[in-house]
Amino acid sequence: EVQLVQSGAQVKKPGESLKISCKGSGYSFTNNWIGWVRQMPGKGLEWMGIIYPGDSDTRYSPSFQGQVTISADKSISTAYVQWSSLKASDTAMYYCARRTGSMVRAVGSYYFDYWGQGTLVTVSS
Amino acid sequence: SYDLTQPPSVSVSPGQTASITCSGDKLGNKYACWYQQKPGQSPVLVIYQDTKRPSGIPERFSGSNSGNIATLTISGTQTMDEADYYCQAWDSSTALFGGGTKLTVL
Repeated sequence: EVQLVQSGAQVKKPGESLKISCKGSGYSFTNNWIGWVRQMPGKGLEWMGIIYPGDSDTRYSPSFQGQVTISADKSISTAYVQWSSLKASDTAMYYCARRTGSMVRAVGSYYFDYWGQGTLVTVSS
Repeated sequence: SYDLTQPPSVSVSPGQTASITCSGDKLGNKYACWYQQKPGQSPVLVIYQDTKRPSGIPERFSGSNSGNIATLTISGTQTMDEADYYCQAWDSSTALFGGGTKLTVL
C-alpha cells in the first residue's frame, strides 16, 4: 500500500527555521517525483515545487523560488521542505504528494495520485 | 503566466448533474486532472488525463477537456459529493491549480 506520512504540526515564531518531512512507503521512492503543495487557511491549493528523489532534481514554482528549499534523502525515502526564516504568512497546511503519469501523445499527463495527511505550520509571535 | 479559472461555487440538488468548469488558454492541448477535498482532509484524485477515473472513484464522476475548458461532471450527485474541487494541469514543468470550486448539494 502506497503511503506518504508527514511529520507533525509545528508552532514557530517569526524568524525561526523549520524543516518538515514526508516519508514514502509501499513503492519505489526513487522512481516518482514528490511535490509539495501549500494551502493557506480557508484558501486553495498552491503548488510549491517538486523533487525527483532518484537524483534530487528539483523544480520550484516562481512564487516559492528562494522562499523554501525542497530536498530528499533517498536512503530513508523521505522528502523535505525547509524555511530558513519563517514569516507569519507561512502559516498554512502543507501537503506532499506523489506524482505519477507519463507522456501521452507527446503531451505530459501527470497527476498527484497519493497525498500525505498534511503538516500544519503555525507561525506566530 | 498561465492561469486556470474555476467558478467559486456551484450548487446542485441531490440526484441532479453537477458540472464544474476549469478554463485556461488552449487547455484542451494539455491534460487536466481533478481533485476532491472535503473539510479537514487531504485532496483526493477523482479524474486524471482528462477523462480517466482512478480505482475506487464512482462512475458518476466523469471529465472532458476541449478548447479552453475542462469540465468535471458528477451525475446523480449525492450529499457525500459536497466538497471543494480543484482542477490541475501542467505548463512546462510547472503545476497549476485552479482556484477551487465549492460544490454545495442541497
